[in-house]
Amino acid sequence: DAGVIQSPRHEVTEMGQEVTLRCKPISGHDYLFWYRQTMMRGLELLIYFNNNVPIDDSGMPEDRFSAKMPNASFSTLKIQPSEPRDSAVYFCASSFEYHGRLNIQYFGAGTRLSVL
Amino acid sequence: AQSVAQPEDQVNVAEGNPLTVKCTYSVSGNPYLFWYVQYPNRGLQFLLKYITGDNLVKGSYGFEAEFNKSQTSFHLKKPSALVSDSALYFCAVRDSIRDDKIIFGKGTRLHILP
Repeated sequence: DAGVIQSPRHEVTEMGQEVTLRCKPISGHDYLFWYRQTMMRGLELLIYFNNNVPIDDSGMPEDRFSAKMPNASFSTLKIQPSEPRDSAVYFCASSFEYHGRLNIQYFGAGTRLSVL
Repeated sequence: AQSVAQPEDQVNVAEGNPLTVKCTYSVSGNPYLFWYVQYPNRGLQFLLKYITGDNLVKGSYGFEAEFNKSQTSFHLKKPSALVSDSALYFCAVRDSIRDDKIIFGKGTRLHILP
């Protein structure tokens, strides 16, 4: 398996523009997580899905952020409109249930977002 | 609520010396504990985990961690550091009773000096 695949790897955009980040989890995994990493705040969980259903979106910072998982092999994180403070590295991770509990998470390489 | 603390932002160790990266946690039930490593421009990679059983857990690249319930700690250790061990290390915890999400610490940057 190629692992968790994120695209694009780098995104530079101007304030006010819409940004869409994409993630393909590992086949067979039933959990998908979106994280944001910054120097100031470290690694923050934004939202996670189980079997394509959002379970906890309490980490989503504002209504400008939205995430979808239309099927088991694809998820998007959208920021509309983007702001400079959204600049960060965004990671997607996937996992599967093991003995009834969540197993380790496998991370993608991340998308580095710069909002000018 | 569950939480995890990594008290050191950075740890410097000479190559060949033993290293320790500290982690303490707080959960309501029994903890599931993890260590991940992040190399520059990469995603996090799993190193090891503690679910139950032996308090000393062995993981990838010669790393190990010791679960100490009385001190609520899960320190990462390696007997002899390599320059290639230089990276950002994250401790993470999940409560065995509550939630499916894992809470990550802020990370500790490990510098191995040649």
